[in-house]
Amino acid sequence: GDSVTQMEGPVTLSEEAFLTINCTYTATGYPSLFWYVQYPGEGLQLLLKATKADDKGSNKGFEATYRKETTSFHLEKGSVQVSDSAVYFCALSDPNAGGTSYGKLTFGQGTILTVHP
Amino acid sequence: DADVTQTPRNRITKTGKRIMLECSQTKGHDRMYWYRQDPGLGLRLIYYSFDVKDINKGEISDGYSVSRQAQAKFSLSLESAIPNQTALYFCATSADGASIYEQYFGPGTRLTVT
Repeated sequence: GDSVTQMEGPVTLSEEAFLTINCTYTATGYPSLFWYVQYPGEGLQLLLKATKADDKGSNKGFEATYRKETTSFHLEKGSVQVSDSAVYFCALSDPNAGGTSYGKLTFGQGTILTVHP
Repeated sequence: DADVTQTPRNRITKTGKRIMLECSQTKGHDRMYWYRQDPGLGLRLIYYSFDVKDINKGEISDGYSVSRQAQAKFSLSLESAIPNQTALYFCATSADGASIYEQYFGPGTRLTVT
C-alpha cells in the first residue's frame, strides 16, 4: 500500500538557518503530495501541495518540489524563524483511487522542528 | 469562531468506560474524518464519512464506532476504553471536487485512559 517516510526528528535550528525536511513516498500510480503543519496546541493545516511531477509547491517561504524519479517531496526554507517551530507532516493521496479510497490522505510520522532565537 | 470544533478538548477516563468525542463544523463540507495521533506514528485514519448516509472504516477502526448525526456533526465513540487508546484525536473535514485533499482540522481532543 501507499506509504510516506519522513526524516527522523526532532530538528533543532537557530533562527535564519536553512531548513530541509526529507520526505519520500511509495505509491502506485501518480499521487498528489502535501505538506501539513501543526503549530503547538492546534490541528494540522495545509502548508503547500503539488499534484504532478516537477511541480513546486510554495507558501510562507517554504518550498517543496515533486520529484518522481526519486519519489521525494523534500520541504525547504531558506531562513527559518522562531514562529516556524511546529510539527511538519508529509502526506500523499492518490487521485486515481476509486470508491471509498477517494480523498483519503496517507501521512508520514511527522518531524518536530524547534527554532531557537 | 473556529470552523471545526471538538469537544471535549481534554478527557481522562478509566478502562472499560464508554466515551464519546464530538466534532462540529461550519464549513459546509460533506466529508468528515476521525484520526488519532501517536508520537512517532503520525496520523492514522479511524473512520471517515462522505455524507450523512455513508460511513467507512479507516485503517484502525477496531474498538471505535462513529455516528454522523447531521452534515455538520460527526461523533467518535470508544465503547469500552483501554489504555492503548490514549492518544490525541483529530476531526477533519474536506470539500468534494478539486479541493478534496485539503483537509481542515479541529484543535484535537487529548484522551487519557487510565
